[in-house]
Amino acid sequence: DQQVKQNSPSLSVQEGRISILNCDYTNSMFDYFLWYKKYPAEGPTFLISISSIKDKNEDGRFTVFLNKSAKHLSLHIVPSQPGDSAVYFCAASSNTGNQFYFGTGTSLTVIP
Amino acid sequence: NAGVTQTPKFRILKIGQSMTLQCTQDMNHNYMYWYRQDPGMGLKLIYYSVGAGITDKGEVPNGYNVSRSTTEDFPLRLELAAPSQTSVYFCASSLPRQDEQFFGPGTRLTVL
Repeated sequence: DQQVKQNSPSLSVQEGRISILNCDYTNSMFDYFLWYKKYPAEGPTFLISISSIKDKNEDGRFTVFLNKSAKHLSLHIVPSQPGDSAVYFCAASSNTGNQFYFGTGTSLTVIP
Repeated sequence: NAGVTQTPKFRILKIGQSMTLQCTQDMNHNYMYWYRQDPGMGLKLIYYSVGAGITDKGEVPNGYNVSRSTTEDFPLRLELAAPSQTSVYFCASSLPRQDEQFFGPGTRLTVL
């Protein structure tokens, strides 16, 4: 049972435009969310996180939005750059457990 | 600071063979994790450890074993390899339970 879902397997955007990657979760106990970026043949690297006490967290070109009532989070990348082309995973955890649950990933292609 | 290292990078096993995937981290992290990633899927947690001598099962532990005798090392053992264990395996480590995880480069395993 997939508790964290990324329903868009792929996304293409023009360089300079905004990229919006979406993630939905089913477990209302999740209270901490992270985004990871993964290049081919490498391990994922941490990008940005958000706690459930916030609804927005920003770090440079990357902003994560959390809508707890909808159990939905999104990652905005503005402006998108060709180097952002990678697979993006969202992950979630709760403070009652030690596990992170990952989505299936969205492959972002930024077209120069 | 090498971070998280994994060996080997690639391995082909025959059905029924056994092997150990090695993982070492030099960041003095208490928490360590083993994930597998199948094509088109997210990362699934196999086992994790919250410190030396303490391990626990994740979502997909069947067919695997782990040990944690030191803070640095967290090997993953496959006793009787099966084709269903063909996957890319990632080791990760972190400090606090809900902090970002640092991933190794992965081991690509094929069981024929």
